[in-house]
Amino acid sequence: SQQGEEDPQALSIQEGENATMNCSYKTSINNLQWYRQNSGRGLVHLILIRSNEREKHSGRLRVTLDTSKKSSSLLITASRAADTASYFCAHPGSGNTPLVFGKGTRLSVIA
Amino acid sequence: NAGVTQTPKFQVLKTGQSMTLQCAQDMNHEYMSWYRQDPGMGLRLIHYSVGAGITDQGEVPNGYNVSRSTTEDFPLRLLSAAPSQTSVYFCASSYSTGVNTEAFFGQGTRLTVV
Repeated sequence: SQQGEEDPQALSIQEGENATMNCSYKTSINNLQWYRQNSGRGLVHLILIRSNEREKHSGRLRVTLDTSKKSSSLLITASRAADTASYFCAHPGSGNTPLVFGKGTRLSVIA
Repeated sequence: NAGVTQTPKFQVLKTGQSMTLQCAQDMNHEYMSWYRQDPGMGLRLIHYSVGAGITDQGEVPNGYNVSRSTTEDFPLRLLSAAPSQTSVYFCASSYSTGVNTEAFFGQGTRLTVV
């Protein structure tokens, strides 16, 4: 299986704190993506970072990518209760096949 | 702008029954995929299609069939439902699987096989 791993599996923080989630993957990639899933809903794309980029920002999101370590991190700054969701990293599969997803991190932001 | 539409949202089947999960997208995307999501397993790829008339197997294809007769539609067929197919099923579409491509997901179908 090409499936990677997110760490931690679950994270609980207070509103206003920062949340950091990590992702490890197994193969060479040309991009890595992060998705959010609210309870009972479909996944929503958050941000994409290319293999030649090391860091990318989008609003309160900051993503880093270290291809030498096959790892990525997602930082959500100044978290809000509405950020409560599961977060998944994903990358294109080998041979140009569809996205391979990690197992996700469940984030709870307590107001 | 509907995006990716999945029907039904919920379904209960008896073991051995067959059914088709529908997926339609209105973004003229070439790539469409079916995933299943189980607790602690993340999303696993069942089948995918790179264009009309072309389908291929993913990680967990057994017990499922697909076809792609049009760009818009990508139905998933359960041939003889088993309790192990109890899961949440997601359909996704994307312009390609290239460098700058995000996937768009439907809202999911929650299937229970009893």
